[in-house]
Amino acid sequence: NAGVTQTPKFQVLKTGQSMTLQCAQDMNHEYMSWYRQDPGMGLRLIHYSVGAGITDQGEVPNGYNVSRSTTEDFPLRLLSAAPSQTSVYFCASSLSTYSGNTIYFGEGSWLTVV
Amino acid sequence: AQTVTQSQPEMSVQEAETVTLSCTYDTSESDYYLFWYKQPPSRQMILVIRQEAYKQQNATENRFSVNFQKAAKSFSLKISDSQLGDAAMYFCAYRSASYLTSGTYKYIFGTGTRLKVLA
Repeated sequence: NAGVTQTPKFQVLKTGQSMTLQCAQDMNHEYMSWYRQDPGMGLRLIHYSVGAGITDQGEVPNGYNVSRSTTEDFPLRLLSAAPSQTSVYFCASSLSTYSGNTIYFGEGSWLTVV
Repeated sequence: AQTVTQSQPEMSVQEAETVTLSCTYDTSESDYYLFWYKQPPSRQMILVIRQEAYKQQNATENRFSVNFQKAAKSFSLKISDSQLGDAAMYFCAYRSASYLTSGTYKYIFGTGTRLKVLA
């Protein structure tokens, strides 16, 4: 029962560096998304995908890129890391875009940009 | 735009007692889904309970139940017989039922309520 797997769990980056947060799900879910969680702000949607080859922006997309070349994988790329991107990142997936579907979260990736 | 408000940053409850966490939301839509998620110290987000707006009956999952007041746009979570393992951050979330009206499939989360359970 792998579910949604995120790597790495912890990462420290220097300002200006780039990196990719990996996300994979083994449930054949159509819908995948990335959220960031900051103190006092709940979870905010960065990017989402409704299927392979289809991605769209959420509410805080700047500084991030995504791609969805397969159903299973949905990597999040930080192009040029900034201290404001210090956060906990969650990848999430659900079976489809049907709103009643349960959303499954990964365990989170703690990113610190210094 | 839809919003979700959790006005209690922190709550405490004695073990075995009952606690209610508040959530209000704002929307002009008539069809949507509401969720409560639990986030323990491990940071894993776990679905606690789900409510469909078109259902008048309040959802229940074992010791967890909701009080859904659609007209008042209120969605509170009641935890009965609280256990030490219930200590966590609890998030209320909203999701539009219609992509056409919301323009997105996103979940809208509240800022969370930290629940402490006292032994």
